[in-house]
Amino acid sequence: GAVVSQHPSRVICKSGTSVKIECRSLDFQATTMFWYRQFPKKSLMLMATSNEGSKATYEQGVEKDKFLINHASLTLSTLTVTSAHPEDSSFYICSAPRGDSFTHEQYFGPGTRLTVT
Amino acid sequence: QKEVEQDPGPLSVPEGAIVSLNCTYSNSAFQYFMWYRQYSRKGPELLMYTYSSGNKEDGRFTAQVDKSSKYISLFIRDSQPSDSATYLCAMSADTNAGKSTFGDGTTLTVKP
Repeated sequence: GAVVSQHPSRVICKSGTSVKIECRSLDFQATTMFWYRQFPKKSLMLMATSNEGSKATYEQGVEKDKFLINHASLTLSTLTVTSAHPEDSSFYICSAPRGDSFTHEQYFGPGTRLTVT
Repeated sequence: QKEVEQDPGPLSVPEGAIVSLNCTYSNSAFQYFMWYRQYSRKGPELLMYTYSSGNKEDGRFTAQVDKSSKYISLFIRDSQPSDSATYLCAMSADTNAGKSTFGDGTTLTVKP
């Protein structure tokens, strides 16, 4: 099956700093990737849709200046949490559908646990 | 009220048992129904995908969708300790996979 990787798997940073999380599709090209946030024992919340070659589409309530998304290539999307605060601590997961976004066979990365101290 | 409701459990069963996991939903526009398995500290893995009402079987897993009742189920036969995980239901109204609405997940433990 398709593989999506994330890096780093875990990061601890100080309040006020920025953190970049990478999402890569390893064996297929992804024009679209999705970024989710997951709180403990809670469902995944879609934050934004990352589009290769164009601006990301953010869900209502997600600050685009806070969560910068760059879809640099057909296999790489990055999420940068800027000026991180403790309330940004969470599990961030990316996913990529094979082909375009019009399929429900999407593959998730292993997630990145962010802790802001 | 949340669009998708899922019993959080936890659910604990002996090895070999039949497991039933369920979700209800309120949005009648949902047409695509998915079940994901998520191991601790890992990303979700797609198990089953069903369009509209009906049953779908894949090995020990059976997904059922009853749109009239707005109720979906995942059955696991001959459960194994390796099935211990959190199971997430997800559903969407259109073909955009990223627009799925997820349940909170049910944590399952299968004891040897």
